[in-house]
Amino acid sequence: QKEVEQDPGPLSVPEGAIVSLNCTYSNSAFQYFMWYRQYSRKGPELLMYTYSSGNKEDGRFTAQVDKSSKYISLFIRDSQPSDSATYLCAMSGQDTGRRALTFGSGTRLQVQP
Amino acid sequence: DTEVTQTPKHLVMGMTNKKSLKCEQHMGHRAMYWYKQKAKKPPELMFVYSYEKLSINESVPSRFSPECPNSSLLNLHLHALQPEDSALYLCASSQSGYGYTFGSGTRLTVV
Repeated sequence: QKEVEQDPGPLSVPEGAIVSLNCTYSNSAFQYFMWYRQYSRKGPELLMYTYSSGNKEDGRFTAQVDKSSKYISLFIRDSQPSDSATYLCAMSGQDTGRRALTFGSGTRLQVQP
Repeated sequence: DTEVTQTPKHLVMGMTNKKSLKCEQHMGHRAMYWYKQKAKKPPELMFVYSYEKLSINESVPSRFSPECPNSSLLNLHLHALQPEDSALYLCASSQSGYGYTFGSGTRLTVV
């Protein structure tokens, strides 16, 4: 079993739709949770990060973390064609100073005009 | 300055060549990372530098040799690579357990 599971998609939605992206994880040591957006042939761009459980909102994006269920989500409201990209969830803990990220496999999102 | 700058953006090298990838950040981050990313896969960790010391080496072959000359710079020296090493090489930095900033990457092709 992978430490982080993410539905690879692809996910195709019409412009203006609400998009829900999800990851589950198995390592209870994870404390920092991030969502990255990656356009083709570019480096990942940090969209959202949260520490421990809770919600965080930034414009059209909302990140949710439920540590009791080991489940994180990213919601995109009023999706735009420019949101078409691969979305990667990522997590890290603080065990023995290792702070490298563990990534999900990424979900490809296509927003149709 | 909130960027991680990687050079070159593209690199084509033969299997007998020696080349270096460079990464620079001026955000005062004390941890820097090299990741390798194959097409349609997530980034895979290669090396972690913490306070300019190598803290993690994910069993990377010795044909990849990292170097951290100072707190702002990170190099990856390449020698005798194989075609399967062709990938996007990403540098990242962070100050704590979150907020990693990635560079745009170097797209490496080994011929």
